[in-house]
Amino acid sequence: QSALTQPASVSGSLGQSITISCTGTSSDVGGYNYVSWYQQHPGKAPKLMIFDVSHRPSGVSNRFSGSKSGNTASLTISGLQTEDEADYYCSSYRTSSTKVFGTGTKVTVL
Amino acid sequence: QVQLVQSGAEVKKPGASVKVSCKASGYTFTSFDINWVRQAPGQGLEWMGWMDPNNGYTGYAQQFQGRVTMTRNTSISTAYLELSSLRSEDTAVFYCARVPKGRNWFYPWGQGTQVTVSS
Repeated sequence: QSALTQPASVSGSLGQSITISCTGTSSDVGGYNYVSWYQQHPGKAPKLMIFDVSHRPSGVSNRFSGSKSGNTASLTISGLQTEDEADYYCSSYRTSSTKVFGTGTKVTVL
Repeated sequence: QVQLVQSGAEVKKPGASVKVSCKASGYTFTSFDINWVRQAPGQGLEWMGWMDPNNGYTGYAQQFQGRVTMTRNTSISTAYLELSSLRSEDTAVFYCARVPKGRNWFYPWGQGTQVTVSS
């Protein structure tokens, strides 16, 4: 079962905006509005940042936003801050009641 | 507050089995699915499967079929992950997470359980 494809790394300067892509197929990302995004700092459990493509849980900064077009979902972080430096993972529902995660993206703040 | 607390680290020999627990609090245990996720050292997140605590129904990722069993004890709001025929590649942190039924967002997560497979 193949993972969703994310860029290995994305970097940006303080205050800039970056976008992380998450590419799947019509059997997962493209077929359902059930994409979620997670932030993970070293040695910590993942933290939910976005659910159902573009919804932000209570307590998550509005600098984080999500979208989807076809088989590719995206997470945008605006006004990049040092605490945003972490690994980010997308996840999607997939046919046959399964789920799948992306390959992960390391975000570096320059 | 909603919380998932997992059991402590384990060290197992190749070929053995391991059983990790995940105790839920702060919500009705049977109203949400429990999913399990594996993360090998320096690697990404890997979805293992789901369980509906209300009826015990499960669904497993293909790569774990035949080696994984997810169960629960509703009287103590605890879910369990058992992985058998352990090999060195199973050395990882295992996480449980609460997921709304039929949806795909994991919140909250347990703190993770380190399982080390070594002879």
